Amino acid sequence: ELKVEQNPLFLSMQEGKNYTIYCNYSTTSDRLYWYRQDPGKSLESLFVLLSNGAVKQEGRLMASLDTKARLSTLHITAAVHDLSATYFCAVVTLRDDKIIFGKGTRLHILP
Amino acid sequence: SQTIHQWPATLVQPVGSPLSLECTVEGTSNPNLYWYRQAAGRGLQLLFYSVGIGQISSEVPQNLSASRPQDRQFILSSKKLLLSDSGFYLCAWSRRITEAFFGQGTRLTVV
Repeated sequence: ELKVEQNPLFLSMQEGKNYTIYCNYSTTSDRLYWYRQDPGKSLESLFVLLSNGAVKQEGRLMASLDTKARLSTLHITAAVHDLSATYFCAVVTLRDDKIIFGKGTRLHILP
Repeated sequence: SQTIHQWPATLVQPVGSPLSLECTVEGTSNPNLYWYRQAAGRGLQLLFYSVGIGQISSEVPQNLSASRPQDRQFILSSKKLLLSDSGFYLCAWSRRITEAFFGQGTRLTVV
């Protein structure tokens, strides 16, 4: 059974600082997604990572995937208040296309 | 372009009443379809997923059921709601080469 673990689950940081959210998963997969969720809203897709070594960047966010280590990271550079949200990683099972989510990282950026 | 519709946005139902939430997808064919539930401040729990008409996989034993009567329609139902069924229900679709795209969600409160 695929398990997806994110850490930290809660992160409070100052504007301008850098930080990394980690996503570990337990079985082989070839697809990993990152999403953002604002309070009371649905999920917004941020990144799709499809191969070992994949790196995607959008603004102050950068995501990477290491399929051998079963690890993805979401790196935040010079955080700004607008990035405050909950971030989820999700992993797709190879056998049957189930999409399993981590518990999410609630990011709070202090002005 | 593809869109996903989910309704209603908000629902308040008494304990013991039935439930029917509907989700439809436009602009794609034979999508994978998913129902998730999110308790307040928590992660996303996969409830059901479907890779084709009439093919439903249940992830969590509970008093909910799902049906896929048409290729792009996914319905979540209950015959008798429990207080513990309260939550934010999200429908999503995906294809093998894409991420999952989410509807706007239904906030269900069972009273």
